[in-house]
Amino acid sequence: SQTIHQWPATLVQPVGSPLSLECTVEGTSNPNLYWYRQAAGRGLQLLFYSVGIGQISSEVPQNLSASRPQDRQFILSSKKLLLSDSGFYLCAWSVQGVGYTFGSGTRLTVV
Amino acid sequence: DQQVKQNSPSLSVQEGRISILNCDYTNSMFDYFLWYKKYPAEGPTFLISISSIKDKNEDGRFTVFLNKSAKHLSLHIVPSQPGDSAVYFCAAANNAGNMLTFGGGTRLMVKP
Repeated sequence: SQTIHQWPATLVQPVGSPLSLECTVEGTSNPNLYWYRQAAGRGLQLLFYSVGIGQISSEVPQNLSASRPQDRQFILSSKKLLLSDSGFYLCAWSVQGVGYTFGSGTRLTVV
Repeated sequence: DQQVKQNSPSLSVQEGRISILNCDYTNSMFDYFLWYKKYPAEGPTFLISISSIKDKNEDGRFTVFLNKSAKHLSLHIVPSQPGDSAVYFCAAANNAGNMLTFGGGTRLMVKP
């Protein structure tokens, strides 16, 4: 069966520090992968999506970047965090004909 | 430009009554619609979907209605239970499996 792993679950980082969030998918090949952010009291904002290794599309210009070094691995990064980067980050995957499956999320607090 | 809108940020319903969550869309190319449920500090989970060839899809207590001419869909939960309290997101795509566009979510509170 397909599963998605996202870690860490919570993270508190100082302003200006780097960030690396990792997401891995099991049980499927060549999935589409997505990073979303939910700011406090707001909806789901698509940050990045990837249709294959090394292929990254950015939806919103920002302080973040994404990489897909392997077929089932998706990484969200930042060189220097801002206070506005705080939020709940979600990874998701999909394959043709199936809706999204989301990970359990990472609560990031930038202090 | 928000292509999928959930105009009610919150909804409060008594246990046992019907909950109706609404969603409007503007892109006429959308032909596949989904509802997701999200508890705090968890990822959204798939609830129910509907293709544009149908106007209704039912799964237990959950029914989704689609009105293509009005570009409107709604989720009915009957009877509502306290465990249904969560944020509900509607989403749309121009083909099943294509990228989803999400609404802003509606927080449902079911009171015992």
